[in-house]
Amino acid sequence: AQSVSQHNHHVILSEAASLELGCNYSYGGTVNLFWYVQYPGQHLQLLLKYFSGDPLVKGIKGFEAEFIKSKFSFNLRKPSVQWSDTAEYFCAARINAGNMLTFGGGTRLMVKP
Amino acid sequence: DAGITQSPRHKVTETGTPVTLRCHQTENHRYMYWYRQDPGHGLRLIHYSYGVKDTDKGEVSDGYSVSRSKTEDFLLTLESATSSQTSVYFCAIRPGDSKEEYFGPGTRLTVL
Repeated sequence: AQSVSQHNHHVILSEAASLELGCNYSYGGTVNLFWYVQYPGQHLQLLLKYFSGDPLVKGIKGFEAEFIKSKFSFNLRKPSVQWSDTAEYFCAARINAGNMLTFGGGTRLMVKP
Repeated sequence: DAGITQSPRHKVTETGTPVTLRCHQTENHRYMYWYRQDPGHGLRLIHYSYGVKDTDKGEVSDGYSVSRSKTEDFLLTLESATSSQTSVYFCAIRPGDSKEEYFGPGTRLTVL
C-alpha cells in the first residue's frame, strides 16, 4: 500500500531561519502531491500542490516545494520563517488519480519570536 | 471558505452510545470524505462518497458507517462509540474537476 512519510515530527526554529520539511512517498506511478497547513485550533488549508510540469512549485505565504521524482520526495521550504508560521504541516499524495488522499503523520513547527 | 459546515463542533459521549456527525456543503460537490486526526497519525480516511448513495471504505472504517441521501449532506455514524474513537473528525469535499480536497472546521469527539 502507498504511504507518505514525514520524518521531522517536531521542528523548532527562530524567526528568520530557513525551513525545510521532508516528505517522501512510496509509490512510483503518477502522483499528485500536496502540502496542507493547520494553524492552532483551525482546519487544514491547502498550502501548495504539484500535479505535473515544473517540479518547483510556489504556494501561499512564501512557501515552495520541490518534487524530486528520483528521490520520491516533495520537501517544503521557506527561506525565512515568521512566528505566524507556527502550525502543523501535512504532506499528502493522491496516487494514479484515485479517489483517496494519503497523509503523512504531520510536522509540528514552532517558530520562536 | 469551501462552504463546509460540521455539526456538532464538540461532543462528549459515553462508551456504547450511538453518535452521528454531520457534514454539510453548499456547493453540490460530488466527492465528500470523512477523516479522523490523531497525534502522530496525520489524517486517516474513514469513508468517502462519490455521489448520492455511493460510498466506499477508507483506511480505518471499522466501527463507522456513513450515509449520503442528499448531495449536500454526508453523515458519519458510530453505532456504539468506544474510547478509541476519541478523535477530531474532519469532513472534506473535492469538486469533481479538482484534484485537491478542502476541509471543514472539524468535530472534536470525546468518548468516556
